[in-house]
Amino acid sequence: DAKTTQPNSMESNEEEPVHLPCNHSTISGTDYIHWYRQLPSQGPEYVIHGLTSNVNNRMASLAIAEDRKSSTLILHRATLRDAAVYYCILTKGSGGGADGLTFGKGTHLIIQP
Amino acid sequence: KAGVTQTPRYLIKTRGQQVTLSCSPISGHRSVSWYQQTPGQGLQFLFEYFSETQRNKGNFPGRFSGRQFSNSRSEMNVSTLELGDSALYLCASSLVPTVYEQYFGPGTRLTVT
Repeated sequence: DAKTTQPNSMESNEEEPVHLPCNHSTISGTDYIHWYRQLPSQGPEYVIHGLTSNVNNRMASLAIAEDRKSSTLILHRATLRDAAVYYCILTKGSGGGADGLTFGKGTHLIIQP
Repeated sequence: KAGVTQTPRYLIKTRGQQVTLSCSPISGHRSVSWYQQTPGQGLQFLFEYFSETQRNKGNFPGRFSGRQFSNSRSEMNVSTLELGDSALYLCASSLVPTVYEQYFGPGTRLTVT
């Protein structure tokens, strides 16, 4: 199975953009890229997902490299509430069920006021 | 719309006992998944239920079991508790079995003494 690599932690300032990287050099053509985040003392929260094209939603943007070997989650204007552990996850195909969600260690994002 | 609810939120049990945790999915969601989160192993998939049937199961011993009722509510049971079962147990729901947009509950914190 394809593996993801994320930095252990990142720090950013409030109201500035944040770029969270994820490397997945062994990604296959049918693997989807998902991002979840987990705020302190809460369950994980779905953020965004994509296959090949860049994606935007109300929470964030997902930029996928042309060769798909890396992707970046972009928080356009970080707030203190965005401090969380961010997980980059690959899943096979477009469905298949929850067993496709394999959470790694993630990136601990720290937001400074 | 109410989110995923899990009861109880906190539980203390003694080694050798059994425990039952409950999960009520978001209204209309028919797929429920369970995860175990520990500091050492991170988030690990336990099993997924859809239409009262277990669709997938993670790599956990048979002491871990679950079921889903006709109203989509789900329970998981752990028999013969071990100290290593101390963890945060998370439930997630989705409309149908999918890796997309899983909505997680706050979890049940189980402590085994």
